[in-house]
Amino acid sequence: SSELTQDPAVSVALGQTVTITCQGDSLRSYYASWSQQQPGQAPVLVMYGAYNRPSGIPDRFSGSSSENTASLTITGAQAEDEGDYYCNSRDSSGKGVFGTGTKVTVL
Amino acid sequence: QVQLQQWGAGLLKPSETLSLTCTVYGGSFGGYYWSWIRQPLGKGLEWIGEINSGGSTNYNPSLKSRVTISVDTSKNQFSLKLSSVTAADTAVYFCARGFSGRSIIFYYYYLDVWGKGTTVTVSS
Repeated sequence: SSELTQDPAVSVALGQTVTITCQGDSLRSYYASWSQQQPGQAPVLVMYGAYNRPSGIPDRFSGSSSENTASLTITGAQAEDEGDYYCNSRDSSGKGVFGTGTKVTVL
Repeated sequence: QVQLQQWGAGLLKPSETLSLTCTVYGGSFGGYYWSWIRQPLGKGLEWIGEINSGGSTNYNPSLKSRVTISVDTSKNQFSLKLSSVTAADTAVYFCARGFSGRSIIFYYYYLDVWGKGTTVTVSS
């Protein structure tokens, strides 16, 4: 399958930790990347190569990968971390593919 | 700081051809996959396709029969054409820079710079 599956929504209390996951067969060969999208904005890359943060992304964001699952963890969530998060990879034929998206709400 | 500036027609009639262009400012053109992604209102991201600086293309199979992505390296531009549009093609269209590579055991792929998006509406 070329699909990447994410939980539709998660919530986290301000300052607490939340982990969102992305599952798919392609993640056995490809590291996932993660992007955050806030309403009306273009996505912003927050994690790539499963573990690497782009310049300017706070270190409260971390990533991991195991088997067919990639995870993005926000440790000490802030109000500005609210938004939609998408994982991204290539499928087995080399086409780009996005996850179904997770809406993160900070309470 | 690399920036992508995109433009194109925002209102189309059914059966017309969507045409968008993205210009790359502040960075090299080679070594990357120049990509198009779309997002219907309230829905998730859909990968449309990509082109590298050498002109090799890779398309989403669900759109392949209608999509053409081209590149003009002399202008640092790449373009998207989507033919025979219908209401189902109404979406925000983004251009983006992609990077693919390989570590010892894994491949990696990510989109690290995005355009601001163009809203395209298909309506009679």
